[in-house]
Amino acid sequence: NAGVTQTPKFQVLKTGQSMTLQCAQDMNHNSMYWYRQDPGMGLRLIYYSASEGTTDKGEVPNGYNVSRLNKREFSLRLESAAPSQTSVYFCASSDFWTGNQPQHFGDGTRLSIL
Amino acid sequence: AQSVTQLDSQVPVFEEAPVELRCNYSSSVSVYLFWYVQYPNQGLQLLLKYLSGSTLVKGINGFEAEFNKSQTSFHLRKPSVHISDTAEYFCAVSEGGSTLGRLYFGRGTQLTVWP
Repeated sequence: NAGVTQTPKFQVLKTGQSMTLQCAQDMNHNSMYWYRQDPGMGLRLIYYSASEGTTDKGEVPNGYNVSRLNKREFSLRLESAAPSQTSVYFCASSDFWTGNQPQHFGDGTRLSIL
Repeated sequence: AQSVTQLDSQVPVFEEAPVELRCNYSSSVSVYLFWYVQYPNQGLQLLLKYLSGSTLVKGINGFEAEFNKSQTSFHLRKPSVHISDTAEYFCAVSEGGSTLGRLYFGRGTQLTVWP
């Protein structure tokens, strides 16, 4: 039982390049989330998808786009990478968008932008 | 929006000593409260949660937390820590209304257990 799987695990980009971070969950969860984690900042929500077919902005959406491809998959795209986007990115999922459901996290993608 | 404060960024402690990691949140009518643990190079794992009922909740690995509504706190405790408890701990809160499913995280507390 894999839970939440993120690919790739590590990536180095040059400023201005684009890339897509992939996330898939096998728990039949309805809600999915993308966070970034920076030292001393905790986790900040980038985008979320409360249910299949919907996406909404979180706390720090600028410079990112998302796609909820189907119920299992939720991707995060950086169109033109900037050094300020160097971070560890986590995908998470939860059963429902009800607040009382714990979120399940992937192991993260460590992204460096030069 | 909800605000979550973890009062200590780092907590060093010796093995077998008790520990308390503090968490305060901004006031709200109703909240759900969570503690997560993150080991190096891994994602976050749920330690425990408070949804309703008894204000003392028990989680995995011998941790427990107490919800105090009047002080808007949800402190995490363990009576005797082990080396393996060394990790970063995050307090998280969700609230009702339009942001129902969102989790607001504190900045984390690094717990280091020394032999």
